Amino acid sequence: ETGVTQTPRHLVMGMTNKKSLKCEQHLGHNAMYWYKQSAKKPLELMFVYSLEERVENNSVPSRFSPECPNSSHLFLHLHTLQPEDSALYLCASSQDQSSGGETQYFGPGTRLLVL
Amino acid sequence: AQKITQTQPGMFVQEKEAVTLDCTYDTSDQSYGLFWYKQPSSGEMIFLIYQGSYDEQNATEGRYSLNFQKARKSANLVISASQLGDSAMYFCAMRERDRDDKIIFGKGTRLHILP
Repeated sequence: ETGVTQTPRHLVMGMTNKKSLKCEQHLGHNAMYWYKQSAKKPLELMFVYSLEERVENNSVPSRFSPECPNSSHLFLHLHTLQPEDSALYLCASSQDQSSGGETQYFGPGTRLLVL
Repeated sequence: AQKITQTQPGMFVQEKEAVTLDCTYDTSDQSYGLFWYKQPSSGEMIFLIYQGSYDEQNATEGRYSLNFQKARKSANLVISASQLGDSAMYFCAMRERDRDDKIIFGKGTRLHILP
């Protein structure tokens, strides 16, 4: 049973909608990540939060907005998305590097379809 | 240049046979970590095994072992006695600790276990 949960598991939205993806980890980790997995592309890192501060933003469009209210929760707010944003969005968590852990544990993902 | 190369986009293996999934990596860092993840059709990324660059012994976890050849920059995953449930995508990944500390994923190998 995974220690990282994501909701919803599936989401269909129109280009004018606003929705949020939620991730929760029960592993006591202090770093969390959002990844995008599109068909035929390697996994792309979108955002990294360590100790609730954003430390990485790989030039992700502003229509994706992350939020990390505490070390256990991570959100990805979506608005005015494009059809090419349809993908599997994976959340992961780990201990941060200074704590000695680096293995990332993933949630089940949210499969997003933008119409 | 690709940091992680998985040359086998797809593989078919008879049940109960051993299988080797290839992974080569490119880094100039002295300190790095290597990971293998399994992604079944459900989408979840499941951590399998980890090898640190300074680890002298090859990592093993149950039926999984990592054939680490540092001079060749190779980190192949070996699955012994394959099972039908091993059918999935397998991703090799690397974290360069000296550099920006991100995990970089390969494009994956789709493994099909035949009954």
